Amino acid sequence: DAKTTQPPSMDCAEGRAANLPCNHSTISGNEYVYWYRQIHSQGPQYIIHGLKNNETNEMASLIITEDRKSSTLILPHATLRDTAVYYCIVRVNNAGNMLTFGGGTRLMVKP
Amino acid sequence: KAGVTQTPRYLIKTRGQQVTLSCSPISGHRSVSWYQQTPGQGLQFLFEYFSETQRNKGNFPGRFSGRQFSNSRSEMNVSTLELGDSALYLCASSPGLATGTQYFGPGTRLTVL
Repeated sequence: DAKTTQPPSMDCAEGRAANLPCNHSTISGNEYVYWYRQIHSQGPQYIIHGLKNNETNEMASLIITEDRKSSTLILPHATLRDTAVYYCIVRVNNAGNMLTFGGGTRLMVKP
Repeated sequence: KAGVTQTPRYLIKTRGQQVTLSCSPISGHRSVSWYQQTPGQGLQFLFEYFSETQRNKGNFPGRFSGRQFSNSRSEMNVSTLELGDSALYLCASSPGLATGTQYFGPGTRLTVL
């Protein structure tokens, strides 16, 4: 699976959009981009995933660049409860469900 | 639908002992994966079971083992505990194989003294 690079930490003002970047310059054509988050002392939570097209659900939007070498997770109106570590994971959906977690981005939403 | 449940939530053991952790997946989910989370190493994959068969295994010593029952419930066992085994052990379930969408439980916090 391709490796990902994320900033170790970011701040965001409550009510503003949080844009979390992820670099995956070695991604292969059949690899998906997944985002999970982990709120302190809880299990990780699935947010969203995509292959080529931009995706949106009730939690967030995922923007993948045309060359697929990077992506951005967007939380449109961040709240204090969105404070968490966000993980960007790239994987092939061909065998098994194993996830390889990196260091993630610690997002701090401030009032 | 009830989420993934893990028991016990907290556990204290001493070096050399063994421990068994339990995980009940979301109803209908047949895949169960286990992860270890420590401050130093982060989240690391231990193993995955599907239909009572181990499908994938991470880079952990043989002291770490697991199994899955016919009702998809899973247990993991750590024998001859070491101080470094102190960690949050997370279980995750998925409806099938070959999907990156997993649903995690709250974890079992193991402390080895």
